[in-house]
Amino acid sequence: QKEVEQDPGPLSVPEGAIVSLNCTYSNSAFQYFMWYRQYSRKGPELLMYTYSSGNKEDGRFTAQVDKSSKYISLFIRDSQPSDSATYLCAMKTGGTSYGKLTFGQGTILTVHP
Amino acid sequence: EAGVTQSPTHLIKTRGQQATLRCSPISGHTSVYWYQQALGLGLQFLLWYDEGEERNRGNFPPRFSGRQFPNYSSELNVNALELEDSALYLCASRPNGPFRSQYFGPGTRLLVL
Repeated sequence: QKEVEQDPGPLSVPEGAIVSLNCTYSNSAFQYFMWYRQYSRKGPELLMYTYSSGNKEDGRFTAQVDKSSKYISLFIRDSQPSDSATYLCAMKTGGTSYGKLTFGQGTILTVHP
Repeated sequence: EAGVTQSPTHLIKTRGQQATLRCSPISGHTSVYWYQQALGLGLQFLLWYDEGEERNRGNFPPRFSGRQFPNYSSELNVNALELEDSALYLCASRPNGPFRSQYFGPGTRLLVL
């Protein structure tokens, strides 16, 4: 079983729709949670970073963490064609001894006009 | 602020050869991470360097190695290349201090023939 599970999609939505992307994880030592966006043939770009349960909002993006259920979500409101990309969830354990990020497989999102 | 840079952008090698990939972190970032993104396997952690020392390595054979220079730039070496080493190799850097995340470069696409 993978430590981080993410539905690879693909997910196709019309412009303006609300998009919900999700990841589940099995390692309770994960303390920090990130969402990255990766356009084709580019490196991942950090979108959201949280380290506690609850919601964090940044513009059209809302990240949600539920540590009790080991479940994280990213919501995109008023989705735009420019949001079409692969979205990767990533997690890290606490402390500085283990700096690596563990990634989900990524969800391919297409927003069509 | 300039982002993480990587060179070369593309690299073609034949099986058994050696490849050297380079990374320059964001100015002021002391930690450098290497990840492999192969088709169907997602982003896998390779190596973490901080202050010139290797701090952690992922589940990769010893023919994957690297180093970090005094200016914090880094090099990834892959010896005895195999066909399955074909992938996008991503470098990320992170500033010092707690609650900081990683910022990725555009990657080097390695093709082993």
